[in-house]
Amino acid sequence: EAGVVQSPRYKIIEKKQPVAFWCNPISGHNTLYWYLQNLGQGPELLIRYENEEAVDDSQLPKDRFSAERLKGVDSTLKIQPAELGDSAVYLCASSLSGGIGVDTQYFGPGTRLTVL
Amino acid sequence: AQTVTQSQPEMSVQEAETVTLSCTYDTSESNYYLFWYKQPPSRQMILVIRQEAYKQQNATENRFSVNFQKAAKSFSLKISDSQLGDTAMYFCAFIAWTSGSRLTFGEGTQLTVNP
Repeated sequence: EAGVVQSPRYKIIEKKQPVAFWCNPISGHNTLYWYLQNLGQGPELLIRYENEEAVDDSQLPKDRFSAERLKGVDSTLKIQPAELGDSAVYLCASSLSGGIGVDTQYFGPGTRLTVL
Repeated sequence: AQTVTQSQPEMSVQEAETVTLSCTYDTSESNYYLFWYKQPPSRQMILVIRQEAYKQQNATENRFSVNFQKAAKSFSLKISDSQLGDTAMYFCAFIAWTSGSRLTFGEGTQLTVNP
């Protein structure tokens, strides 16, 4: 069974440029998560989707960050414009469902973003 | 709000020896899950072990076991017969049993297994 797929693995851009990250969850997983991981720290949730619906986006900086999961499968996270402080690893994770009870989250390899 | 604390930023152990990583958490929830994830240099976050708070028996997965002390809000990970491939950052994580809750991670412990 294929795991969570993310692309690209690495991205280097100049500040004020836009950037997008793509994630394809494990087949059959209804819930998709985007996390931000700063160097030397644990991941922090940016947004959680249940199918197509963003059910928790309270930590997403909406002035520059946006995300979509149009068909309830793969997802794109965008930053526009990028700032120096956005340099980090962006992790995607998925789980079977996000309702009552807890399903294990499975993570992708992440995208390391460097903003110059 | 939940908090997870890992007080050991770095640890090292000799190959084949046993090491214990510490984790404490703070919550007012009564039903929750705890996890240990491993993140090697490749960055892939891999689930090591999970523990349901309502279960008194400590979880075990091969060489990995936990010591779950609910009253003390402690959740340590013991790695037996350490292998070079165990070298990684280890994160303790917490999630409550309520819809809409989020996974909260600790700061991580960098474990190095020396030959």
